[in-house]
Amino acid sequence: IAGITQAPTSQILAAGRRMTLRCTQDMRHNAMYWYRQDLGLGLRLIHYSNTAGTTGKGEVPDGYSVSRANTDDFPLTLASAVPSQTSVYFCASSQGGAGDTQYFGPGTRLTVL
Amino acid sequence: KNEVEQSPQNLTAQEGEFITINCSYSVGISALHWLQQHPGGGIVSLFMLSSGKKKHGRLIATINIQEKHSSLHITASHPRDSAVYICAVHQGAQKLVFGQGTRLTINP
Repeated sequence: IAGITQAPTSQILAAGRRMTLRCTQDMRHNAMYWYRQDLGLGLRLIHYSNTAGTTGKGEVPDGYSVSRANTDDFPLTLASAVPSQTSVYFCASSQGGAGDTQYFGPGTRLTVL
Repeated sequence: KNEVEQSPQNLTAQEGEFITINCSYSVGISALHWLQQHPGGGIVSLFMLSSGKKKHGRLIATINIQEKHSSLHITASHPRDSAVYICAVHQGAQKLVFGQGTRLTINP
């Protein structure tokens, strides 16, 4: 693994289904983030984690949950997907806080029907 | 009004032209980031600055804290510079506020 990876690359999901987007980094960064990117709205923060064992809510957290059991992994779960969660999801990490340079994963394109 | 405004939204230029993309923000910040999103979707951090000017290759970023304004310049532009350029400001805690991006197309 080099940098930050996300899986799956893309997914089509029926409304009401549960889905976990995976994110793994090998840079030993303390902070990790989940963003969604929608046309005309730019990137918006869903959840973040300052360090393993802690998480916090971002700008648009409703319908999403995260966990940070270790430094490397930061999965994002949609408990019951809805069509408004159709988006491109980016995971990112930084050594320090959000003011530090953030390194982005390649993104997951999610379509909820 | 968005907290971070970029202009122009779209920019098309010929190879070799000098490019300027602007970012204005309405809140106090501790740092400003410029990001590049490639046509394939990947996002790369170009600069992080809190004052003055930074240069990397053909890219130059400036910030004026008093005027709440930053510019990204590209000298001797090339078709491979075609991408969406995103400005983001760090307001504190874990909040980065992003602009909507400027889509740049450089024609050969």
